[in-house]
Formats: sequence, structure tokens, C-alpha cells
Amino acid sequence: DAGITQSPRHKVTETGTPVTLRCHQTENHRYMYWYRQDPGHGLRLIHYSYGVKDTDKGEVSDGYSVSRSKTEDFLLTLESATSSQTSVYFCAIKGGGGELFFGEGSRLTVL
Amino acid sequence: DQQVKQNSPSLSVQEGRISILNCDYTNSMFDYFLWYKKYPAEGPTFLISISSIKDKNEDGRFTVFLNKSAKHLSLHIVPSQPGDSAVYFCAASDGGGSNYKLTFGKGTLLTVNP
Repeated sequence: DAGITQSPRHKVTETGTPVTLRCHQTENHRYMYWYRQDPGHGLRLIHYSYGVKDTDKGEVSDGYSVSRSKTEDFLLTLESATSSQTSVYFCAIKGGGGELFFGEGSRLTVL
Repeated sequence: DQQVKQNSPSLSVQEGRISILNCDYTNSMFDYFLWYKKYPAEGPTFLISISSIKDKNEDGRFTVFLNKSAKHLSLHIVPSQPGDSAVYFCAASDGGGSNYKLTFGKGTLLTVNP
């Protein structure tokens, strides 16, 4: 157990509404990540953070923003959700080696 | 441009036989490679990794082979068990310092039949 909690685990929202997903970790890891998983696309990196207030874009960052004001929390925000953002979102932290440890996922449906 | 490719969307094997999952990469800067397993409705779990300075790494029933000249790696599972049925993702990193991140393939669904 890597001590990662994602919330909410499931959310249904409407197009155009803002959505924030939260990732909370309990083990003081420096690196945190947000990936999305979609059929036929595997896992794609949205944004990542390498420290408090230090974030960078991944390969599919359009339409998403992130914030990390403290070590334990990494927030992913969809300012105006679209149907193309219907997906399963995974938060991850970097362990002592090069491996990432993932949370259980947040399933988002945008109607 | 897809930097990590898993060209087989699915693979079916009999229990007790060997499962071989393949992965190709295009970025010559990748120097660390990982395999993840994912069950439905769960997060991916780390399985095994290999550094580019090695060509083989073994952990119980799981062995990863790396062929740098061919930019190819494979995961061998011997013997395969029904509980191994899952989606397997190949991933790679180029080190990256503060920009450390993993690039994943699209995954291969392994089904192990009893």
C-alpha cells in the first residue's frame, strides 16, 4: 500500500461544469503524477509535480490544470469538462527506485 | 508519435504454459523499463523492471528480457496461472532528473485459460 487516496472515486457531471479530482498521499513523496486511461490508448500522462508548486505538463495536458500547494495533495482540475474527458484518472507517486505506485482511480463521466 | 508500442492487444494462453508479452520502443534515450499489471477497477501495480545496463531480470515466475540493439523488451511468465489474467503495460523512462516520468504502451490483455 503506497498510501495514496483518490477522491472522488466516481463522479458524473455535465458538460461545461468544473471538476476537481484530489490525490492525497501519506508518505511525503516528492513526485506525483496524474494519468488517464482510455480504451485503445493505455495510460497517458496529463501533468506531474516534482515538488510543492513545481508542476509540468504531460502529453495530454490540454483542458487540465493542476495545483500542489502542499506535499501530500495534488489536485487535477477540469475547468470546463467535455465529453472527451470521460475517463478513468489515476494518481501516482514515485517510489525510491524508478517505479510509480498508483492509486485506485477516479472514474469520471461527462454527460 | 508513440514511443512505447505494444503491438498485440490481446494474448491467450493455457494454464501452465509460457506467456510472452512484447514491447518495442523508439526513444533511444530510454534507460529504464518496467512492466505493470492491471486488473479491472484497480490501479496498475508494478511487476518488474530492468535497467538498460542489464539484459535480463528475473523475479519468481516473471522474467524481463531487454534487447537494446533491437529496442525491444519482453515479459515471460512461466508457468502462467489463471490469476495472471490482466492487462499488462510496458513503460519506459529516460531518467529525466526532476522531469522524471514514465511513458506507457497501450497494454496487452492476457487471458490464461484453465
